[in-house]
Amino acid sequence: QVQLVESGGGVVQPGGSLRLSCAASGFNLSYYGMHWVRQAPGKGLEWVALIRFDGSSKYYADSVKGRFTISRDTSKNTLCLQMNSLRPEDTAVYYCGKARGWLLDHWGQGTLVTVSS
Amino acid sequence: EIVLTQSPGTLSLSPGERATLSCRASQSVSSSYLAWYQQKPGQAPRLLIYDASSRATGIPDRFSGSGSGTDFTLTISRLEPEDFAVYYCQQYGTSPLAFGGGTKVEIK
Repeated sequence: QVQLVESGGGVVQPGGSLRLSCAASGFNLSYYGMHWVRQAPGKGLEWVALIRFDGSSKYYADSVKGRFTISRDTSKNTLCLQMNSLRPEDTAVYYCGKARGWLLDHWGQGTLVTVSS
Repeated sequence: EIVLTQSPGTLSLSPGERATLSCRASQSVSSSYLAWYQQKPGQAPRLLIYDASSRATGIPDRFSGSGSGTDFTLTISRLEPEDFAVYYCQQYGTSPLAFGGGTKVEIK
């Protein structure tokens, strides 16, 4: 059974950094692409980043390009999102998701990131 | 960059009624790589439909998807109480991937 558990969220000041993790179980991260998606309070869903199944390519939304980095540790079956130069508009619940091709077919429960002074 | 526009923003219906949700793309969606997700308050989204018309595992057959190119539709044939939620479409054929703004289906 696929399970995704995000962690690492919290409160950070503007300009600060945060690293999110997503622990995967029930499948091998080495064979699947993975996504990050976020949702600002009371707003809709925004796709953030995707890493291909083999880690060879990474894709980002324009709003985070150059500031966020998606990566994975296959030995720990864990996905990460390094977030630098954070802005108040980055405040959101961040979800990780398992990909089938590029389809997001399983979601974690999310972790809240608040960027505020 | 593909922009998805969902309509209506809110749909007020009664249990047992039919719901028709629209998702329009600013340009053609590659290979009909269009998905629909359901989200209830305080929960993560759940995949309902992929490839425009294929139901995900465990999704009841009252949910159906149709369309191609730039126009897509999610239909709920008879609304059950648990179907009142927010629905999002998403294209996953081209980077950057994109979600529509969502349609809220509320109890009338």
